[in-house]
Amino acid sequence: QQQVKQSPQSLIVQKGGISIINCAYENTAFDYFPWYQQFPGKGPALLIAIRPDVSEKKEGRFTISFNKSAKQFSLHIMDSQPGDSATYFCAASIYGSGAGSYQLTFGKGTKLSVIP
Amino acid sequence: NAGVTQTPKFRVLKTGQSMTLLCAQDMNHEYMYWYRQDPGMGLRLIHYSVGEGTTAKGEVPDGYNVSRLKKQNFLLGLESAAPSQTSVYFCASKAPPGLAYNEQFFGPGTRLTVL
Repeated sequence: QQQVKQSPQSLIVQKGGISIINCAYENTAFDYFPWYQQFPGKGPALLIAIRPDVSEKKEGRFTISFNKSAKQFSLHIMDSQPGDSATYFCAASIYGSGAGSYQLTFGKGTKLSVIP
Repeated sequence: NAGVTQTPKFRVLKTGQSMTLLCAQDMNHEYMYWYRQDPGMGLRLIHYSVGEGTTAKGEVPDGYNVSRLKKQNFLLGLESAAPSQTSVYFCASKAPPGLAYNEQFFGPGTRLTVL
């Protein structure tokens, strides 16, 4: 059972365009939603994260939009650059202590290619 | 700080051989994880540890064993390697709950091929 569904699997965007990656989750106990960025040959690294007390979080060109009622969240990359070409993973977990807080459940990833 | 390091970076095994992957972290993190990454499958949790001397199964534990004898090290063992275990393996570590940040820090990965 896949608890975090991510789409699209791959995405090609022109330089300067907006990249949008969507995720949907099933477990209503999830309350921490990070996005990880992975470059070829490297390990994933945290890009940006959100908790459901806000509907949007912005850091530079990267924005997370969160819709608690729909159990969906998305990553928007504004003014996409060739250097943003990477694989992006959404994830979800329980933020506090106790069972479920130790683990992240990852989506299957989106390979983003930004062409000049 | 080196962060999370993994040894070796690459390895080729024959079916039935055994090996141990080593993960080390210098951030004094309590939690450590082993994932495997396969094309189109994302990151799947193999085993994890919430402290020295403790381990627990993740989503895909079969065929793997782990040990956490020291806080800074987390070992992943393959007793009898199978071609289905060909994958890229990532180790990660995290501070315990209660701190402001819930980030998992990942190592650079080990690419394992089983022939």
